[in-house]
Amino acid sequence: EVQLVESGGGVIRPGGSLRLSCAASGFTFDNYGMSWVRQAPGKGLEWVSGINWNGGTTDYANSVKGRFTISRDNAKNSLYLQMNGLRAEDTALYHCARAFSSGSYYYYYMDVWGKGTTVTVSS
Amino acid sequence: DIVMTQSPDSLAVSLGERATINCKSAQSLFYSLNNNNCLAWFQQKPGQPPKLLIYWASTRASGVPDRFSGSGSGTDFTLTISSLQAEDVAVYYCQQYYITPHTFGQGTRLEIK
Repeated sequence: EVQLVESGGGVIRPGGSLRLSCAASGFTFDNYGMSWVRQAPGKGLEWVSGINWNGGTTDYANSVKGRFTISRDNAKNSLYLQMNGLRAEDTALYHCARAFSSGSYYYYYMDVWGKGTTVTVSS
Repeated sequence: DIVMTQSPDSLAVSLGERATINCKSAQSLFYSLNNNNCLAWFQQKPGQPPKLLIYWASTRASGVPDRFSGSGSGTDFTLTISSLQAEDVAVYYCQQYYITPHTFGQGTRLEIK
């Protein structure tokens, strides 16, 4: 069964750091790009960051650029999101998602999603 | 960033009737490398992650009922549910993956009339 399971969320003070993880199973991890998408309580979806199959291309939403870092470890079938300088507006449910890739520097639509891990930034 | 605008924000349709959701992109999503449009549709039910319905603007994802269809090209796209079922109550999002950041529309809430 194709599966993505996020972990690492929690309650953190403004300015703090958190590292999210996403464990992938049931598919060949390095055949796909990966993305993080978040959803603030009662709000819509916001694409946060993406990475191509080998980590050579990384992209970010303007709202997190310079604060968040996406990475992957293909040997461990894992995706990560290092979040620094957290703000109240980063409070959300964070999903990782598999992104179809043609094997190049780019990645496309997200076809498998995890259930998410909750990040709450509050003093 | 490419702004994606959905209409309407909410929609109430009778069971068995057609539901239509529109999505407009601020710039063309046509991808010349494969002659497709980089547009996906997602369905999200309460407490669940989004589910991919349509990609490349008109290709149904695996397992998606054929009452769901996507159309459009360039900057204007449509998701159509041909005969609304009770289980289709959800929020629907369009998303462009033509260029990063891969922006979403604001969502359309679909309810039963």
